[in-house]
Amino acid sequence: KNEVEQSPQNLTAQEGEFITINCSYSVGISALHWLQQHPGGGIVSLFMLSSGKKKHGRLIATINIQEKHSSLHITASHPRDSAVYICAVSSRRTGNQFYFGTGTSLTVIP
Amino acid sequence: ETGVTQSPTHLIKTRGQQVTLRCSSQSGHNTVSWYQQALGQGPQFIFQYYREEENGRGNFPPRFSGLQFPNYSSELNVNALELDDSALYLCASSLPGTGANYGYTFGSGTRLTVV
Repeated sequence: KNEVEQSPQNLTAQEGEFITINCSYSVGISALHWLQQHPGGGIVSLFMLSSGKKKHGRLIATINIQEKHSSLHITASHPRDSAVYICAVSSRRTGNQFYFGTGTSLTVIP
Repeated sequence: ETGVTQSPTHLIKTRGQQVTLRCSSQSGHNTVSWYQQALGQGPQFIFQYYREEENGRGNFPPRFSGLQFPNYSSELNVNALELDDSALYLCASSLPGTGANYGYTFGSGTRLTVV
């Protein structure tokens, strides 16, 4: 069983739709990360969360530590948001390494 | 120099061969971690190098080995390649004590295909 589970695995949306990607984890963490991976492979950090909520432009990330759950929301989605979104957790116990979810592949159709 | 650079970007090898992948860390970062990402999966931690020593290892066999050089660049070596080694190999650099808790940068990866 993975330490980090994401849903859905694949998501197709119309441009302008509100999108939610969910992440559940089963280990104690120092931080939860939302990452974006484009087809070329490179990974870009979107958010690092240890509590509460963060917002950056059209992206919002929330975390509930008690429920071990996080969500990534995209408002007014755009085709350029099409990518794989990966949830990852880290802790001192893991030697500051990531445990990754399998990712959510998002396609936004014009 | 900023960012993490990996080379080559793509590589095709035959089963049983050996391969070396390279990673130049971001300026000021002295810790390098390597990850394997199979198609459709999340990345899996291979190992981390700090000050030229291995500093943590995931569940990978000994034929996966690495090096870190005095300039903090790193190599990942895989011997006796197997078909299942086909994957995207990602390198991430960071400062010690931060790593995944902040201050990390990923490279764009090397796509290895074993035939």
